[in-house]
Amino acid sequence: NAGVMQNPRHLVRRRGQEARLRCSPMKGHSHVYWYRQLPEEGLKFMVYLQKENIIDESGMPKERFSAEFPKEGPSILRIQQVVRGDSAAYFCASSPQTSGYQETQYFGPGTRLLVL
Amino acid sequence: GDSVTQMEGPVTLSEEAFLTINCTYTATGYPSLFWYVQYPGEGLQLLLKATKADDKGSNKGFEATYRKETTSFHLEKGSVQVSDSAVYFCALSDPGSSNTGKLIFGQGTTLQVKP
Repeated sequence: NAGVMQNPRHLVRRRGQEARLRCSPMKGHSHVYWYRQLPEEGLKFMVYLQKENIIDESGMPKERFSAEFPKEGPSILRIQQVVRGDSAAYFCASSPQTSGYQETQYFGPGTRLLVL
Repeated sequence: GDSVTQMEGPVTLSEEAFLTINCTYTATGYPSLFWYVQYPGEGLQLLLKATKADDKGSNKGFEATYRKETTSFHLEKGSVQVSDSAVYFCALSDPGSSNTGKLIFGQGTTLQVKP
C-alpha cells in the first residue's frame, strides 16, 4: 500500500546544472500536483498534470522549469540551469480527482534541492 | 486572488494545554478548506477538511469548523501532546477561481509542545 513516492529525497546541484525530480503517484491516482516550499514559507502551487497532459501550469516559472507525466512512468519536474534561488523543498501530491476542489491530495515526502 | 492567512508562530504550549491556531481566507467561490500537518523532514499529511459552510472536520482530537460568515477555519485541540509538535498548514481549494483542485496554502504555524 505504497503512498506517493518521490526521489531523490535530497539533491545537490551546482549552479548551471540540471535537476530532475521524480514522483510516482499513489496506486489508482492519475492526477499529480507539484508544489514548492521555500525556506520559512508555505507551499506554492506550481503545476497540475494528468497522464500526458498539463492542465494548469499557472504557478510555474516561465523559464527553465518544465514538467511532464507520461503515459508510463513517474511524473518528472525538470529544472534547467539551476540557480541558488531554486534551493527549496519540492513536493508532489496525487489525487483520484473524482470531485476536483473537494478532493484530498496525498503528499510525498518531498525532494530537498540544494544549489551550491 | 485567493489567499490564506494563519497566525504567526511559533506557538509554544505545555502538554495538556488547549490549542487554537487561527486561519482566515479570501476566496472567489465557496472553497473547500483543509488542515495539513508536516512533521520534521516529512511531507504533508491531511489532518482534517471541510467542504461546505458549517461543516466540522475532526481527526485525532483536532477540530475545525468552516465559518463562512467570518471566512475562518480555526484549528483547535483540547489537550495537546508532545507528539503534536509540528508545522500546521491551513489551505483552500476554490472552484470559483479554478476547479483543478490546486491548493492555496497559508504560511504555516509551528507548534512546540513542552513536557
